[in-house]
Amino acid sequence: NAGVTQTPKFRVLKTGQSMTLLCAQDMNHEYMYWYRQDPGMGLRLIHYSVGEGTTAKGEVPDGYNVSRLKKQNFLLGLESAAPSQTSVYFCASSATGGNQPQHFGDGTRLSIL
Amino acid sequence: GENVEQHPSTLSVQEGDSAVIKCTYSDSASNYFPWYKQELGKRPQLIIDIRSNVGEKKDQRIAVTLNKTAKHFSLHITETQPEDSAVYFCAASTISNSGYALNFGKGTSLLVTP
Repeated sequence: NAGVTQTPKFRVLKTGQSMTLLCAQDMNHEYMYWYRQDPGMGLRLIHYSVGEGTTAKGEVPDGYNVSRLKKQNFLLGLESAAPSQTSVYFCASSATGGNQPQHFGDGTRLSIL
Repeated sequence: GENVEQHPSTLSVQEGDSAVIKCTYSDSASNYFPWYKQELGKRPQLIIDIRSNVGEKKDQRIAVTLNKTAKHFSLHITETQPEDSAVYFCAASTISNSGYALNFGKGTSLLVTP
């Protein structure tokens, strides 16, 4: 049981390049989330999904897009990467929303030059 | 939207002492309050959570208290050990038309010295 798996673990991009981060969960969870973590800023919610085919904006959605075509996968896209998007990105999932724990992946460290 | 304030940002204690981290939240509809521990370079991991229908929950050396009237909750670690050194995050649930989410505090870096 792998839980929440993120790929890739590390990536370096040049400004203006695009890429997609993949999150996969094998717990049959309904909710999935993408966060970014910057020093001293805690975990900030980018986008989330309450079920297959749904997406919603979080606290810091600008510059990112997401898709949830399959229940087990949640993709985070950067169309035109900017240095301000250098961060550690965490994916999480929960069985439902509300009072259910979120389970995190190992994170993707993304550097944009 | 929900605002979660966490204090202190850094905390240093000696092994065996107790550590207390406090959080406040603004949304009176919040009903779920988890605490996560994050070791350097690792993922956040849930260590304890509390729901709004109880005021206190304990798990071995870790306890959480909740005061819904005052909108604050606290993490208590007793008999601290060096392996408790990590960053701790509190969070509070929030709900919008799009569904549920968590708002996180900015974290507390705990250092336990032998």
